[in-house]
Amino acid sequence: TQLLEQSPQFLSIQEGENLTVYCNSSSVFSSLQWYRQEPGEGPVLLVTVVTGGEVKKLKRLTFQFGDARKDSSLHITAAQPGDTGLYLCAGAAGNTGKLIFGQGTTLQVKP
Amino acid sequence: EPEVTQTPSHQVTQMGQEVILRCVPISNHLYFYWYRQILGQKVEFLVSFYNNEISEKSEIFDDQFSVERPDGSNFTLKIRSTKLEDSAMYFCASSLQGYEQYFGPGTRLTVT
Repeated sequence: TQLLEQSPQFLSIQEGENLTVYCNSSSVFSSLQWYRQEPGEGPVLLVTVVTGGEVKKLKRLTFQFGDARKDSSLHITAAQPGDTGLYLCAGAAGNTGKLIFGQGTTLQVKP
Repeated sequence: EPEVTQTPSHQVTQMGQEVILRCVPISNHLYFYWYRQILGQKVEFLVSFYNNEISEKSEIFDDQFSVERPDGSNFTLKIRSTKLEDSAMYFCASSLQGYEQYFGPGTRLTVT
């Protein structure tokens, strides 16, 4: 069974601080997606990483896919209260593209 | 910007009743998925659908579940005889190439 473990599960920081969320597995994924989910809504795609070692930037967010395609990280620089939310990583497994989700990281950024 | 839509947003049903959850995927997408999320738990894969047939299903997707793409635009999930443990948020997702998936807003199913 393929699993994705996210850490930390909860993170509460002050505005302006930097943070990193980790997503780890013992399995190889063909791609990995990061989503953000608001309460009662569907996950919203932030980024997809496909190649081992790939780094993608989205404004203050930096996403990295591990060389072996088993892990990923999300780094936020100078966090803002608007970054508050639930961040999910999801790995694509097999040929059908089914996603295996991590349990999520709840981020709270205090003004 | 194209988006996945789902109806209804909330469905309340009695145990043993049939429900149909509806989704309109992004129009040029080829891969379609259903996921569910029980309150406080991870998003779980149910089924994937490509080229008018199921390409993969999870252990959760037993004989009580079925999917259909009846008219080339809608994608439905039917639960024949609902159980209390089917209560969850159900998300439809679609993808052009099979890995970058876009999710709908979800249908909250409450089984009483």
